[in-house]
Amino acid sequence: AQSVTQPDARVTVSEGASLQLRCKYSYFGTPYLFWYVQYPRQGLQLLLKYYPGDPVVQGVNGFEAEFSKSNSSFHLRKASVHWSDWAVYFCAVSIKGNNNNRIFFGDGTQLVVKP
Amino acid sequence: EAAVTQSPRSKVAVTGGKVTLSCHQTNNHDYMYWYRQDTGHGLRLIHYSYVADSTEKGDIPDGYKASRPSQENFSLILELASLSQTAVYFCASSDALLYEQYFGPGTRLTVL
Repeated sequence: AQSVTQPDARVTVSEGASLQLRCKYSYFGTPYLFWYVQYPRQGLQLLLKYYPGDPVVQGVNGFEAEFSKSNSSFHLRKASVHWSDWAVYFCAVSIKGNNNNRIFFGDGTQLVVKP
Repeated sequence: EAAVTQSPRSKVAVTGGKVTLSCHQTNNHDYMYWYRQDTGHGLRLIHYSYVADSTEKGDIPDGYKASRPSQENFSLILELASLSQTAVYFCASSDALLYEQYFGPGTRLTVL
C-alpha cells in the first residue's frame, strides 16, 4: 500500500542556515511526488512537484527537492532559511486510478526558524 | 485567478446538530475532495467526487455525507455532529490530467 513517512515531526534551524526535510515514500508504481507548505491558519500551498524526469526539481522561494528511486526518498532542501519559512511542510505521493486521483500525505514536519 | 473557496471559515456547532460545509472552485477541475486535519497530523480523505451528481467514499467517510450538485460546488454534511468531528476541514480540486491538488483555506469546526 502507498504511504508517506516524514520522520521528523519538528525541525529547528537558525535563520540563514541550510535546511533538509526528509520524506520517504512507499509505492509500487511510478510515484508523482509533492511538497506542500501550510502557513499558520492557512490552507496547503503547492511548493514543488516531481513528475518522472529530472530527479532534482525546483520550487518557489528557493526550495528544491531530489527524488531517489533507490532510497524511496524525496527530501526537501533550501540553502538559506528565512524566518518567513516558519510553517508545516507536507510530503505527498499521488496515484491515479479509475475515476480517482488520490494523494497520500505524510504527517508533516513543523519547521521552526531561530533568529 | 482560479481558486478554491470555502464557507464558513469557522463554525461552532452543538452535538447532534446538522452542519454543512461548502466549497466552490473556479479551476474548472473535474475532481473535488474533502479532507479533515487533526492537530499535529496530516490530511485524511473523507469523500471525493470526479463528476457532478456523483460522490465517492474516501478513507474515513463514517459520519459524513457529501453532495456535488455542479462541477464548481462540493458540500460536506454532518447530519449529527459529534465531538470527535472537531477538526479543520479542507476542500481541494484537481484536474483529471494532473496529479497535484489545489486547496481551499480550510474551515475550522468546533463541536461542543
